[in-house]
Amino acid sequence: SAVISQKPSRDICQRGTSLTIQCQVDSQVTMMFWYRQQPGQSLTLIATANQGSEATYESGFVIDKFPISRPNLTFSTLTVSNMSPEDSSIYLCSVGAYPYEQYFGPGTRLTVT
Amino acid sequence: GENVEQHPSTLSVQEGDSAVIKCTYSDSASNYFPWYKQELGKRPQLIIDIRSNVGEKKDQRIAVTLNKTAKHFSLHITETQPEDSAVYFCAARADKLIFGTGTRLQVFP
Repeated sequence: SAVISQKPSRDICQRGTSLTIQCQVDSQVTMMFWYRQQPGQSLTLIATANQGSEATYESGFVIDKFPISRPNLTFSTLTVSNMSPEDSSIYLCSVGAYPYEQYFGPGTRLTVT
Repeated sequence: GENVEQHPSTLSVQEGDSAVIKCTYSDSASNYFPWYKQELGKRPQLIIDIRSNVGEKKDQRIAVTLNKTAKHFSLHITETQPEDSAVYFCAARADKLIFGTGTRLQVFP
């Protein structure tokens, strides 16, 4: 499976600020996704990061709050904008591998104070 | 859209016993059903998966069964060990991977 890295691994941010999370994969992948995992909860899909076009957002998530970039087949960023304490969560990058499997990065633990 | 229900939410077993976790899904177009294990502070790890054209799959002590008619699938762990203790998530995919709510498995020595 692909090696997936995320930066930063954790951060503590003040409310009202923004944080950009980077996801790097060691091989080209077609599908990249961003998930959120709130403390003690399951994984919720935020959006599918499409290379060369706008991300596809799930219900409850909007581009203004979670802008996503996908400049090439190995890299994506997720920005959490105008943060509030409710955004405290683990954010996980995920990639699809042929033909079906999906793997996760190590996650970014975000705390908003 | 797809909805995945998972139960039980917690499961405690004695080492050596079997553990079974069950999931149901709503979208009949779902064709891929993975299971992930997440240890505390770690990323979810894919441990086994099954596709809609298969009824059962086994890998050493873990097995997964799928009943497409009833829209449910299950994870079976035999001869449990303390290192099996973790949170387990089922998931289903039609066009995107949707996760169940998770099961916290505790295996007591």
